[in-house]
Amino acid sequence: GAVVSQHPSWVICKSGTSVKIECRSLDFQATTMFWYRQFPKQSLMLMATSNEGSKATYEQGVEKDKFLINHASLTLSTLTVTSAHPEDSSFYICSARGLAGTTSYNEQFFGPGTRLTVL
Amino acid sequence: QKEVEQNSGPLSVPEGAIASLNCTYSDRGSQSFFWYRQYSGKSPELIMFIYSNGDKEDGRFTAQLNKASQYVSLLIRDSQPSDSATYLCAVNRGTGNQFYFGTGTSLTVIP
Repeated sequence: GAVVSQHPSWVICKSGTSVKIECRSLDFQATTMFWYRQFPKQSLMLMATSNEGSKATYEQGVEKDKFLINHASLTLSTLTVTSAHPEDSSFYICSARGLAGTTSYNEQFFGPGTRLTVL
Repeated sequence: QKEVEQNSGPLSVPEGAIASLNCTYSDRGSQSFFWYRQYSGKSPELIMFIYSNGDKEDGRFTAQLNKASQYVSLLIRDSQPSDSATYLCAVNRGTGNQFYFGTGTSLTVIP
């Protein structure tokens, strides 16, 4: 149980285009999903916390207009990198936390990640 | 002061030895503690979680929590080359949503 998927697993795009990454909880409902970015040989960096039906909370230094997050349902959150540039190339990982009162509430379950390369 | 601190390593141990990974946290009110393993190019996978003071064992892995010292550790017995990875410590305060991650400790098990 507690499986999180991401799509696509990798994407290559031209500079200036927008890229959408989907994060789905497959067998549980997730009130909260988290979006992380990880550059090579660096640690996970939390970008934003996404709550179903409300606006995402962004970490300091993360541009909310550049990284658009939508959490429209209890099983799906999307991250759109708008006007991507080469410096946005990174490994983007989502995680999900289950509903309060369920066994999946106290843990974060990670998706497999999406590798974005912007040319 | 960082929420969660880990020695970045690298830590090298010979195959069959015990690897000891350490983590300290700053918020005394933290309630849940997690160890994740991350292979290069992959996302983190949960190894263990611990909520109560003391030891928790799962196979070759033992998590140790000392809330008085604000310290959590992970012991890997009979280390295998396949254990070579970066190990992330994470802490949840129990209120709100955020999990705080350490920067990870790189472990290499030498055959």
